[in-house]
Amino acid sequence: DIQMTQSPSSLSAFVGDRVTISCRASQSISSNLNWYHQKPGKAPKVLIYAISNLQSEVPSRFRGSGSGTDFTLTISSLQPEDSATYYCQQSYSTPYSFGQGTKLEI
Amino acid sequence: QVQLQESGPGLVKPSGTLSLTCGVSGGSISSTNWWTWVRQPPGKGLQWIGEIYHSGSTNYNPSLKSRVTISVDKSKNQFSLKLNSLTAADTAVYYCARDYKYCNGNKCIGWLDPWGQGTVVIVSS
Repeated sequence: DIQMTQSPSSLSAFVGDRVTISCRASQSISSNLNWYHQKPGKAPKVLIYAISNLQSEVPSRFRGSGSGTDFTLTISSLQPEDSATYYCQQSYSTPYSFGQGTKLEI
Repeated sequence: QVQLQESGPGLVKPSGTLSLTCGVSGGSISSTNWWTWVRQPPGKGLQWIGEIYHSGSTNYNPSLKSRVTISVDKSKNQFSLKLNSLTAADTAVYYCARDYKYCNGNKCIGWLDPWGQGTVVIVSS
């Protein structure tokens, strides 16, 4: 099974800041890396698929990058509504797995 | 647009069986996508349970494989999850989701979208 490791597990930032969340896979997963965010009491929603493709209606301040085993989610110009928990997920091979999550506090 | 809705009992007894259904609206379950179950224990992260294709092909998480069955009912445009031999560790919010697939030749990518709203299942006597 592929293990996904996210860092940090939590972070605090201010409106207007730029933050970076890292995700590492235990083996190469090609371009099969997705990012989700989840607000309390709600279902996760996809933000970015296939490393760097923004889901429709996701603001351009979200950016995904990386390759192979190392990936990054960058959020620039933080907004209050970006407060959420962020998860990476590999869809390269089953069982598809998630990182443990990064809780972002604005 | 496609919408998913989970349904099923919110309280089940230890050693019993959890049975949930995910109804699909706004699209056909026979499309070229897989249909997925994910769970989230209280205060914890997301765990992929398994998936099914409309043909009935399935993939399961090995950690749950001996206890899980996912099935599809094309006539009702829905798919279902059964998890047996329940313990308190199975208490979680259970989500269904579409695993949207895009293939270019023999290279495919996929992501979970949309998700149902989730249903809370508590295992307790």
